[in-house]
Amino acid sequence: DARVTQTPRHKVTEMGQEVTMRCQPILGHNTVFWYRQTMMQGLELLAYFRNRAPLDDSGMPKDRFSAEMPDATLATLKIQPSEPRDSAVYFCASGLATGGIYEQYFGPGTRLTVT
Amino acid sequence: DQQVKQNSPSLSVQEGRISILNCDYTNSMFDYFLWYKKYPAEGPTFLISISSIKDKNEDGRFTVFLNKSAKHLSLHIVPSQPGDSAVYFCAATLPGSARQLTFGSGTQLTVLP
Repeated sequence: DARVTQTPRHKVTEMGQEVTMRCQPILGHNTVFWYRQTMMQGLELLAYFRNRAPLDDSGMPKDRFSAEMPDATLATLKIQPSEPRDSAVYFCASGLATGGIYEQYFGPGTRLTVT
Repeated sequence: DQQVKQNSPSLSVQEGRISILNCDYTNSMFDYFLWYKKYPAEGPTFLISISSIKDKNEDGRFTVFLNKSAKHLSLHIVPSQPGDSAVYFCAATLPGSARQLTFGSGTQLTVLP
């Protein structure tokens, strides 16, 4: 049963602290996406990768957010320093983006609370 | 600028009846459309999709209709079941290398027993 996994599921931290969220995409998928869901903005695309190469991170605040894919089985989203307005649920998704199949499969999310 | 819009934040339907969820888009270059279902504390789950070269796609109780001239798509659920109660997101994608999705704001469907 292939699925996207994310850790941690919940994170509570104080303002100014570093937060790292991790994602394991589905084996064989060549695209990875990071989304943020807030009450006001719905599902916002933050950054995405194809074949581990970052394609676009214009959706995230670059002064504090960074996204990387150190290898094909791990994607990370880091916030340093964190702020209360970063409180949201962060989703990772992976997909194939080929052959007419464009569905993305989402992980369970990381619920981040910054106090 | 919202390119994908779901104008109804919520919808209530009686069990056994039809649920119709609507979605409008503004970018005529979108060529693939998807519907996702989301339960609380879970990630969105892919439900059904449709290519812009089609006007209908059916999968069991779920049917998606696409009207390109009106830039409108809809999801029909027949018959609706209480387990269908969730937030439904429509999404669209442009031709490109990564096929990133643009999501609507979601519609909360409640199916009443």
